[in-house]
Amino acid sequence: DIQMTQSPSSLSASVGDRVTITCRASQGIGSSLAWYQQKPGKVPKLLIYTASTLQSGVPSRFSGSTSGTDFTLTISSLQPEDVATYYCQKYNSAPLTFGGGTKVDIK
Amino acid sequence: EVQLVESGGDLVQPGRSLRLSCSASGFIVGDFAMSWVRQAPGEGLEWVGFIRSKFYDDTRDYAASVKGRFTISRDDSKNIAYLQMNSLKTEDTAVYYCIRDIPLRFWGQGTLVTVSS
Repeated sequence: DIQMTQSPSSLSASVGDRVTITCRASQGIGSSLAWYQQKPGKVPKLLIYTASTLQSGVPSRFSGSTSGTDFTLTISSLQPEDVATYYCQKYNSAPLTFGGGTKVDIK
Repeated sequence: EVQLVESGGDLVQPGRSLRLSCSASGFIVGDFAMSWVRQAPGEGLEWVGFIRSKFYDDTRDYAASVKGRFTISRDDSKNIAYLQMNSLKTEDTAVYYCIRDIPLRFWGQGTLVTVSS
């Protein structure tokens, strides 16, 4: 099975900082990669799919990119409401594996 | 409006069975892939399995950790998706979410399953 390795596992940044989270697939998955945001005590929410397509209603400070089997979620200017855990997930074929998550908080 | 409401979570002993329900409104469950994802307390997300839409012959896939023990089904007449969980283990303790679409676009609020003696 394809493994999804997400890094870092946690980070602390200041409001306004640019934040980058990486997810690496152990084999090629094309662009079948989604990012989810889970705020504390809340249900996860789809942010980005097909590696770089923003889900409707998601602020434009979020973006996704890919380079081969490396996928990146970028928050261009971190806001207090972005405190959350972020997960990547492959969905090209089963199993639809999640990355381990990245917890983002404010410094 | 798409809504998903899970129910059926409970405290059960290891080795017992439990069936979770996911009541859908705003769409027909048979027209979409329906997935289950779980989250153990303080842990990350784990994909459990899904059932494809009727357009893909209702085929199913499961995570290795639940294959042979869990079964996903649906009742189009009631517009409900199910997760039948047999031979439950303590490590199955989690909040279980029902989700529509792949990628996972519409989520229910989750239902807590606790497996403990």
